[in-house]
Amino acid sequence: QKEVEQNSGPLSVPEGAIASLNCTYSDRGSQSFFWYRQYSGKSPELIMFIYSNGDKEDGRFTAQLNKASQYVSLLIRDSQPSDSATYLCAVRRTGANNLFFGTGTRLTVIP
Amino acid sequence: KAGVTQTPRYLIKTRGQQVTLSCSPISGHRSVSWYQQTPGQGLQFLFEYFSETQRNKGNFPGRFSGRQFSNSRSEMNVSTLELGDSALYLCASSITRDTTANEQFFGPGTRLTVL
Repeated sequence: QKEVEQNSGPLSVPEGAIASLNCTYSDRGSQSFFWYRQYSGKSPELIMFIYSNGDKEDGRFTAQLNKASQYVSLLIRDSQPSDSATYLCAVRRTGANNLFFGTGTRLTVIP
Repeated sequence: KAGVTQTPRYLIKTRGQQVTLSCSPISGHRSVSWYQQTPGQGLQFLFEYFSETQRNKGNFPGRFSGRQFSNSRSEMNVSTLELGDSALYLCASSITRDTTANEQFFGPGTRLTVL
């Protein structure tokens, strides 16, 4: 079983819609959860992180964490064509600083 | 504040050679982690340095090594290059290493091609 699993997509949504990206993790000792965005040919860019159960909002982005279900999600409201990228879910275990990454979900926002 | 910088940005080497990559973290950041990104394996952790000491290591052969200097700058070295080492090598810095909300910020990466 992989440490972090994501649906590779591609996920296509129309401009202005809500994009929903999902991630599951296997280690219950995981402590912090991160979402990165990576444009083609570029390095990952941190969008937001979450470590408490529930929702965390930052502008058009909302991260949701359910530790009982070992599930993390990212909602992007009012999706824009500039949001088209690969979204990487990353997990950090308690006591370690390295991140375990999912394979990423490719999102395309159609104008 | 300047971001993470990595040099060189692109490298072409041949099998059997060795290579050294450099990373300068964000000012004030003391932890540097290295990752390898390939289309087949995705992003994989190589190692982490904090206060000039390797704190954690991923599942990579001994050909991959690194170090950190007193100013937190870090280098990684790959010896006896193989074709499969072709990848984007990413450096990430964070302020420290033992806090729950410890964000890691990535540099632009070094694209290594082994011929």
